[in-house]
Amino acid sequence: DAGITQSPRHKVTETGTPVTLRCHQTENHRYMYWYRQDPGHGLRLIHYSYGVKDTDKGEVSDGYSVSRSKTEDFLLTLESATSSQTSVYFCAISEGLAKNIQYFGAGTRLSVL
Amino acid sequence: GQQLNQSPQSMFIQEGEDVSMNCTSSSIFNTWLWYKQDPGEGPVLLIALYKAGELTSNGRLTAQFGITRKDSFLNISASIPSDVGIYFCAGQYSNSGYALNFGKGTSLLVTP
Repeated sequence: DAGITQSPRHKVTETGTPVTLRCHQTENHRYMYWYRQDPGHGLRLIHYSYGVKDTDKGEVSDGYSVSRSKTEDFLLTLESATSSQTSVYFCAISEGLAKNIQYFGAGTRLSVL
Repeated sequence: GQQLNQSPQSMFIQEGEDVSMNCTSSSIFNTWLWYKQDPGEGPVLLIALYKAGELTSNGRLTAQFGITRKDSFLNISASIPSDVGIYFCAGQYSNSGYALNFGKGTSLLVTP
């Protein structure tokens, strides 16, 4: 998994509660990404980071926020979880944009009841 | 993001058969990547392609970057049971910066 750890691996939560997912890397890669994977939609980008404290929105960013205070950690927060955010969340890292090979973590399966 | 059309959606084959899947885009891409995802795991990179016409192999896997830069295919020769999984194409076009666009995947089942 290219030195990428996602935590937790599984989480069940209730609608309206805040949830934070963590991605930790040991590769010292500059770029980090959060995707969600849903049946029929493939992988869709939520947010990404191009450096410490530098983040930007992806295709499906509504209802999510991110933070990156250290190179190795990228946090994804669901501010008030909804059932539509039930999904599998993947973190990815890449060294640079030139060839943009992204390496993925093992994923977090989130259920919002 | 740009839509990638990946086909077929699923394949059910016998061990030993060859497999072919492809992706097409309406935009010109400058990078094509092929990933495999096993159940409960994240996608793992199989092959990366950077030049139009490039043909690259990784063991029994061969992938090509289409000459038009709008398509790519992945072939698997002599399939084995551990080839089971979902295969994704991903592409990056020149103005997308950070973004990879993913196909919806091809689910491969291999029977002994």
